[in-house]
Amino acid sequence: DTEVTQTPKHLVMGMTNKKSLKCEQHMGHRAMYWYKQKAKKPPELMFVYSYEKLSINESVPSRFSPECPNSSLLNLHLHALQPEDSALYLCASSQEGAYTQYFGPGTRLTVL
Amino acid sequence: DAKTTQPTSMDCAEGRAANLPCNHSTISGNEYVYWYRQIHSQGPQYIIHGLKNNETNEMASLIITEDRKSSTLILPHATLRDTAVYYCIVRAYNAGNNRKLIWGLGTSLAVNP
Repeated sequence: DTEVTQTPKHLVMGMTNKKSLKCEQHMGHRAMYWYKQKAKKPPELMFVYSYEKLSINESVPSRFSPECPNSSLLNLHLHALQPEDSALYLCASSQEGAYTQYFGPGTRLTVL
Repeated sequence: DAKTTQPTSMDCAEGRAANLPCNHSTISGNEYVYWYRQIHSQGPQYIIHGLKNNETNEMASLIITEDRKSSTLILPHATLRDTAVYYCIVRAYNAGNNRKLIWGLGTSLAVNP
């Protein structure tokens, strides 16, 4: 199984809502990533988890809160987002120390 | 990490080879060249990577010049489904705890019927 799955595919939320994005992989990878991608721009790294511990936080605002409950799951909790946070949110995984990352299809987020 | 330069866009006829160039003139000895692509509104897809030697897999071939200052990704028989943005990324294989990929703007490849 070489697939990374993400749910939901689309999400519309108001600025006062709390929602969560979910990511799952069953490739035995111990590194997992969250990226944000705006239209016509390359992906921007947000967070990296290594062995279920947060190893990189790219100065992301606290309204984005990542969580790695186990080696297969990665969540991104969203609260009090702004309209400019509307974007495609991508999850990826890799073997520890590797740059060959496998991406999920993304969650298209719209903040009203 | 070395910076990469790619053309903004390219066109290719269906069934023909698509040759996508990438310049990385400041590449250092321990840096690999990685290629990813992103089909519209999907997640990026790993294609291939290499250090010095040419590499081939079921998706593409990677040709790296002898001085390693440039490389070419070759899709041997492009199909309409190969229309995507192609990213060339240079990264040291063992950069400690930092597994950050430095993404450029990529090349938008349009495969035409």
